[in-house]
Amino acid sequence: GENVEQHPSTLSVQEGDSAVIKCTYSDSASNYFPWYKQELGKRPQLIIDIRSNVGEKKDQRIAVTLNKTAKHFSLHITETQPEDSAVYFCAASKIEAGKSTFGDGTTLTVKP
Amino acid sequence: DTEVTQTPKHLVMGMTNKKSLKCEQHMGHRAMYWYKQKAKKPPELMFVYSYEKLSINESVPSRFSPECPNSSLLNLHLHALQPEDSALYLCASSGTTNSPLHFGNGTRLTVT
Repeated sequence: GENVEQHPSTLSVQEGDSAVIKCTYSDSASNYFPWYKQELGKRPQLIIDIRSNVGEKKDQRIAVTLNKTAKHFSLHITETQPEDSAVYFCAASKIEAGKSTFGDGTTLTVKP
Repeated sequence: DTEVTQTPKHLVMGMTNKKSLKCEQHMGHRAMYWYKQKAKKPPELMFVYSYEKLSINESVPSRFSPECPNSSLLNLHLHALQPEDSALYLCASSGTTNSPLHFGNGTRLTVT
């Protein structure tokens, strides 16, 4: 089955700096890659996603890049703010699997 | 506002009790999920219902019994749980099994 590795497990940045979180996946047939943000005590929420027919997608300060050849995708957050502090999960899925496989998560701390 | 509604928010039960968790969505999604989440870990898939039929059971112990009465409702029946089953139980829905997950706020379960 699919295996998703996520790095780093913790990331601390200064407010205004950029943050990058990286994930690799094992199943070359995976074609959908969402990112979820989970604030302390709250539910995971989708922040951005990308499908395998696209190499990059951007939404204001958040961007995701996908390298299908290397089987990795990354989350980029620019101009970080304290409210970006949360746990971020990447995931990978394909329709045949019927489910998403999650990475282990990255705890991002943005220091004011 | 949360589009996936879960009740109750908190539940404390003894090991001999029988209780049920409930989940409701009105987005017309045809896939519904139960996840278990322990602190600082990713959501762990338990069950997937697709078009009201159980499509995935991730080898979950029989003390957890899912039910999908209709396309909007999902229940999780609990019986003879163990203290290690204490966790946050998240319900989610998606348009298909290869599209964004919409999570409810979860039920915080404590087994005493």
